[in-house]
Amino acid sequence: QKEVEQDPGPLSVPEGAIVSLNCTYSNSAFQYFMWYRQYSRKGPELLMYTYSSGNKEDGRFTAQVDKSSKYISLFIRDSQPSDSATYLCAMNRAQGGSEKLVFGKGTKLTVNP
Amino acid sequence: ETGVTQTPRHLVMGMTNKKSLKCEQHLGHNAMYWYKQSAKKPLELMFVYSLEERVENNSVPSRFSPECPNSSHLFLHLHTLQPEDSALYLCASSHGSGVKVFGPGTRLTVL
Repeated sequence: QKEVEQDPGPLSVPEGAIVSLNCTYSNSAFQYFMWYRQYSRKGPELLMYTYSSGNKEDGRFTAQVDKSSKYISLFIRDSQPSDSATYLCAMNRAQGGSEKLVFGKGTKLTVNP
Repeated sequence: ETGVTQTPRHLVMGMTNKKSLKCEQHLGHNAMYWYKQSAKKPLELMFVYSLEERVENNSVPSRFSPECPNSSHLFLHLHTLQPEDSALYLCASSHGSGVKVFGPGTRLTVL
């Protein structure tokens, strides 16, 4: 079983839709969970960062972690064409420069005007 | 310049060429990384430098050779690459919290 599983999509939605992006993982030692957004021809940029379980909200974005199910989600409300990008989940056991960050494959999202 | 910069942004090379990728971070971070991003695969960590010392080498072939002369600069020297090495090579840096900031990447094509 892969450490992190993420449906690569592609996912296509109309503008204004609520988008749900998900990852599952197998390593129960993961405590830090991140979502990165990667536009075409750019490097990933950190979008959301959460520690342990619970929800975190930032504007139209909500990150949710369910450690009991080993499942994390990113919700995008009122999606915009500018949200079209690949979204990567990532997680690790601890913080620190050398701690290995494990990524999902990324889900490609297109928001149609 | 702010953040993490990478040059060149695009590189096409033959299998017998030698080239180098350059990364520079302007964030005061003390750890730097090279990642490889191939189509339909997760980002693969290649090398980690912490305080200018290599702390991790994830079984990367010797045709890739990293160099970290100081905490702000990171190089990836390439020689006798294979076509399957074609990918987006991403540099990242971090400090303390471990949250990594990525550069824009170098799109490498090996003919």
